[in-house]
Amino acid sequence: NAGVTQTPKFRVLKTGQSMTLLCAQDMNHEYMYWYRQDPGMGLRLIHYSVGEGTTAKGEVPDGYNVSRLKKQNFLLGLESAAPSQTSVYFCASSPWAGGNYGYTFGSGTRLTVV
Amino acid sequence: AQSVTQLGSHVSVSEGALVLLRCNYSSSVPPYLFWYVQYPNQGLQLLLKYTTGATLVKGINGFEAEFKKSETSFHLTKPSAHMSDAAEYFCAVSSPRGYSTLTFGKGTMLLVSP
Repeated sequence: NAGVTQTPKFRVLKTGQSMTLLCAQDMNHEYMYWYRQDPGMGLRLIHYSVGEGTTAKGEVPDGYNVSRLKKQNFLLGLESAAPSQTSVYFCASSPWAGGNYGYTFGSGTRLTVV
Repeated sequence: AQSVTQLGSHVSVSEGALVLLRCNYSSSVPPYLFWYVQYPNQGLQLLLKYTTGATLVKGINGFEAEFKKSETSFHLTKPSAHMSDAAEYFCAVSSPRGYSTLTFGKGTMLLVSP
C-alpha cells in the first residue's frame, strides 16, 4: 500500500544544473499535483495534471516543467536550477475533480540549490 | 478566487489544555474545507474535511472543526492536547464548482509543553 512515492528524498544541486523529480502513485488517481513548501509560505501549487497527457500551470510555475506520460507518474523538471528553488517539494494525487475527496501526499523531496 | 488565513504562525499549549487553531477563508461560493497535519520531515496527512451536511466534523486523533458560514471560519479544536500533537497544521480550501485545486494557508505550528 505505497500510495504516493517521491524520488529522490534529498538532493543538492549547483546553480544551473538540471534535475527531474519523480512522483508515482498506485491508487489509479486521475489528478496529480506538485507543490513547493517554504517556511512561512505554506504550500504553493506549481503545476498539476487532470489526466494522462495533460498538464496545467499553478500559482508558481516559472522555472519548472512537468510531464504526465503515464497515468501513474508525474515528473517535475528543473532545467536550470536557481537558489530560489531551494525548497521542499510535495507531490499529491486525488481521484477526481472538485476537491471534496482531499489529496494524498508523498513524503517530499528536500532540494537545496547552492 | 479563494484564500485561507491562519491566525498565528505558532501556538503554544500545555499538555492537557485545549487546542484551538484558527482558520478563516474567503470564497465566492460555499467551499470545501480541510485540515491537514504535518509531522517533522513527513508529508501532509488529512485530519478532517467539511464538504456538505453537518457543520461539526470530527477527524482523527480527537480533533474536530466547525464550519461557520456567517463567520467564514473553520477553526480546529481538541479538548486536551497531547505531546504527540506537536506538528504543523494547515487549513485548505477548494471550490465545489467545476475543477478546483486546494489552496493552503501558511500553516500553524503547534507546540505542546509538558
